[in-house]
Amino acid sequence: QEKVQQSPESLIVPEGAMVSLNCSFSDSASQSIWWYQQHPGKGPKALISIFSNGNKKEGRLTVYLNRASLHVSLHIKDSQPSDSAVYLCAVSSGGSNYKLTFGKGTLLTVTP
Amino acid sequence: EAAVTQSPRNKVTVTGGNVTLSCRQTNSHNYMYWYRQDTGHGLRLIHYSYGAGNLQIGDVPDGYKATRTTQEDFFLLLELASPSQTSLYFCASRLRLNYAEQFFGPGTRLTVL
Repeated sequence: QEKVQQSPESLIVPEGAMVSLNCSFSDSASQSIWWYQQHPGKGPKALISIFSNGNKKEGRLTVYLNRASLHVSLHIKDSQPSDSAVYLCAVSSGGSNYKLTFGKGTLLTVTP
Repeated sequence: EAAVTQSPRNKVTVTGGNVTLSCRQTNSHNYMYWYRQDTGHGLRLIHYSYGAGNLQIGDVPDGYKATRTTQEDFFLLLELASPSQTSLYFCASRLRLNYAEQFFGPGTRLTVL
């Protein structure tokens, strides 16, 4: 069964800082990797995904995937207090990508 | 954007009680999922379905039943609720094959006393 581990468990940064979140997974056959954002009292919402080795940038977000080391990272540039949330790493697996396996999450707090 | 709604948003019951959690999606998504979210465990898959009348077992199915009555509606049933089932429950839906993004509802907080 796929295992997904995230680090750090929590992180506090000042507004404007660059944030780096890490995720490792166990199955090299995993297809796509997703990052979700979850605000208190809300359901998770997909932010960005990556399938191929390398990096992908969308706005202030950049994700890096290294399949050889089974590692993916999410970087948030110029962090804002509104970025304060739990960030979940999810790895798709199973035929037709039917299943997402989630990590336990990283709690990010951006202080004004 | 995909819309997933859940009801009730909060529920309190007693040990041994029956509980039904409801989920509706209005985007004709084929796949629907039920998760529970607990501190220290993250999101764990209970059951899922890829169409009306279909049910698949997830990773933590014990004590739960589910039923998909229509393309839109997916229900989670706890027939003899236990305190260990106190949790935050999320429903999600997925658009199509080979595209993994799931859209989540707002969650139902269930407390079993």
